[in-house]
Amino acid sequence: GEDVEQSLFLSVREGDSSVINCTYTDSSSTYLYWYKQEPGAGLQLLTYIFSNMDMKQDQRLTVLLNKKDKHLSLRIADTQTGDSAIYFCAESAFSGGYNKLIFGAGTRLAVHP
Amino acid sequence: NAGVTQTPKFRVLKTGQSMTLLCAQDMNHEYMYWYRQDPGMGLRLIHYSVGEGTTAKGEVPDGYNVSRLKNQNFLLGLESAAPSQTSVYFCASSFWTSGGTGYNEQFFGPGTRLTVL
Repeated sequence: GEDVEQSLFLSVREGDSSVINCTYTDSSSTYLYWYKQEPGAGLQLLTYIFSNMDMKQDQRLTVLLNKKDKHLSLRIADTQTGDSAIYFCAESAFSGGYNKLIFGAGTRLAVHP
Repeated sequence: NAGVTQTPKFRVLKTGQSMTLLCAQDMNHEYMYWYRQDPGMGLRLIHYSVGEGTTAKGEVPDGYNVSRLKNQNFLLGLESAAPSQTSVYFCASSFWTSGGTGYNEQFFGPGTRLTVL
């Protein structure tokens, strides 16, 4: 079945790089997503990658996709205190004739001075 | 555009009470979803809808009912609340995409924090 796994916590020092990892199971997923949830708020799409890409860069964000290992990572360069949030990995799924997203449990990123 | 809105923001219920959570979107999205978020478990899909008058069960539908009204409104009902339904509830919406290969960005509301005593 469909499953997405990610570690629950990551702590980094301000200015360092953060790397959040995710593994997924559905090899037919065509899009993989990273969502960000700030305290007390809903989720917002941060970035996404199409399954035929290995890497996508967007300013301080770099997404790496290893389809063979079904592994996705999100790198945040020069991490700032404003990056403190929960980051969710999600894979697209098509089930029962409808599109859905399968979310991981979320990685809580804590940035300290 | 207001995007996705949810009411209420907070609610405390006693076991056995009923309530309805309201979600509204003004983006003309076909798909709407209800999720619950529990610590360490991420988001789990309760029910979803692909258009007015249509609903389908998600991963954890028991104890909940839904209705889709006029395409922009998606209601989540708890007929007899239980402490296990204490959670944060999120509504989301997205455009319809064909088949299983479409891009599916979901837009989320701010959430409703529900406590059942």
